[in-house]
Amino acid sequence: DAGITQSPRHKVTETGTPVTLRCHQTENHRYMYWYRQDPGHGLRLIHYSYGVKDTDKGEVSDGYSVSRSKTEDFLLTLESATSSQTSVYFCAISDRGDSYEQYFGPGTRLTVT
Amino acid sequence: AQTVTQSQPEMSVQEAETVTLSCTYDTSENNYYLFWYKQPPSRQMILVIRQEAYKQQNATENRFSVNFQKAAKSFSLKISDSQLGDTAMYFCAFMKYGTSYGKLTFGQGTILTVHP
Repeated sequence: DAGITQSPRHKVTETGTPVTLRCHQTENHRYMYWYRQDPGHGLRLIHYSYGVKDTDKGEVSDGYSVSRSKTEDFLLTLESATSSQTSVYFCAISDRGDSYEQYFGPGTRLTVT
Repeated sequence: AQTVTQSQPEMSVQEAETVTLSCTYDTSENNYYLFWYKQPPSRQMILVIRQEAYKQQNATENRFSVNFQKAAKSFSLKISDSQLGDTAMYFCAFMKYGTSYGKLTFGQGTILTVHP
């Protein structure tokens, strides 16, 4: 299994509070991704990174920001959590960024009350 | 933008039988990759099979095979000799070839239940 961990694994927070999810990899892969999974929508890309300090938006980036200050860590921040951001969040990594398999972390279940 | 559609929210099959999951996609790209991912109750995402659009031959991985129809933009997954461990949600996914940074577009998923 690829060395990807996500923390926390579960979190309950209140509307309006900031939340940061962490993805940590030990594979030294260049590309990292954040997805959210919701019923009826599958997984949707939030943000991705193609190198340290190189990030870009995905299809559902509103209300989220990311940072990558070192290869192994990719942080996802909900600036002011809303109930619509209740979801399961997955981090993924890839060494090539095209055609190749993405390895997924175990997911973080976030509930915003 | 690409879209991926899985029109079967749920499917069921008896153990040892064969089942086919459907996937259609819409794109203006000529070169791309298609994937099937499996998500068992553990929630872990697992790559099942991958198809390059420029290859006419359908991909096969043990009991899993695809029927790739490029003109029809169809990419179905066939599971032969179904096993209880195949019970999972299955996602079809699209990736544009080249400078896409590996971004995946997923379908809505199909829940497959294998009955003993």
